[in-house]
Amino acid sequence: NAGVMQNPRHLVRRRGQEARLRCSPMKGHSHVYWYRQLPEEGLKFMVYLQKENIIDESGMPKERFSAEFPKEGPSILRIQQVVRGDSAAYFCASSPWSLAGGSYNEQFFGPGTRLTVL
Amino acid sequence: AQSVTQLDSHVSVSEGTPVLLRCNYSSSYSPSLFWYVQHPNKGLQLLLKYTSAATLVKGINGFEAEFKKSETSFHLTKPSAHMSDAAEYFCVVSDRGSSNTGKLIFGQGTTLQVKP
Repeated sequence: NAGVMQNPRHLVRRRGQEARLRCSPMKGHSHVYWYRQLPEEGLKFMVYLQKENIIDESGMPKERFSAEFPKEGPSILRIQQVVRGDSAAYFCASSPWSLAGGSYNEQFFGPGTRLTVL
Repeated sequence: AQSVTQLDSHVSVSEGTPVLLRCNYSSSYSPSLFWYVQHPNKGLQLLLKYTSAATLVKGINGFEAEFKKSETSFHLTKPSAHMSDAAEYFCVVSDRGSSNTGKLIFGQGTTLQVKP
């Protein structure tokens, strides 16, 4: 069973360009979380999606950032008009999420996409 | 609101000596707590998890952690450090607030250095 896959692993963009980050969850997982790790900081939650639905986007910046998880294909985190402050490592995690037994769910992380904005 | 505080940003030990990475949590609910490890330029790997079962949790690579409700702590330990343990360690709590979406809340991280 392949793990969570993210691509590209490294992405360089100039200010004002768009960045598209892709995440393929583990087989059988229908829940995806995106986290951002700024330099010298821990990871911060951005958004939680299920197939075709955004469940919690409380950690997403209000502008320029969007996420989707279509019925078919990977989850996409899109950053429009990137700025230098967007330079960070972006991690995706997937979960099988089961409501049985309460809120525990283990999240499996991908290797991350390291975005550099010049 | 839930949060975790890692008390040390950097810990340095000699190979073969014990490791202690400290974490305190704050939660209005019975928490689910985790320790993740991140090697340089790599993703995160789950070391161990606490989910209201046994308070002493054993993980991979010889690590373990003890949940102490009275002290609101979840410290990570290992009896004998190995060079390959050098990495960044994150204490994490799963959100169980009103949204209950399971999103993870990370501590700031502790860098473990292992000296030969």
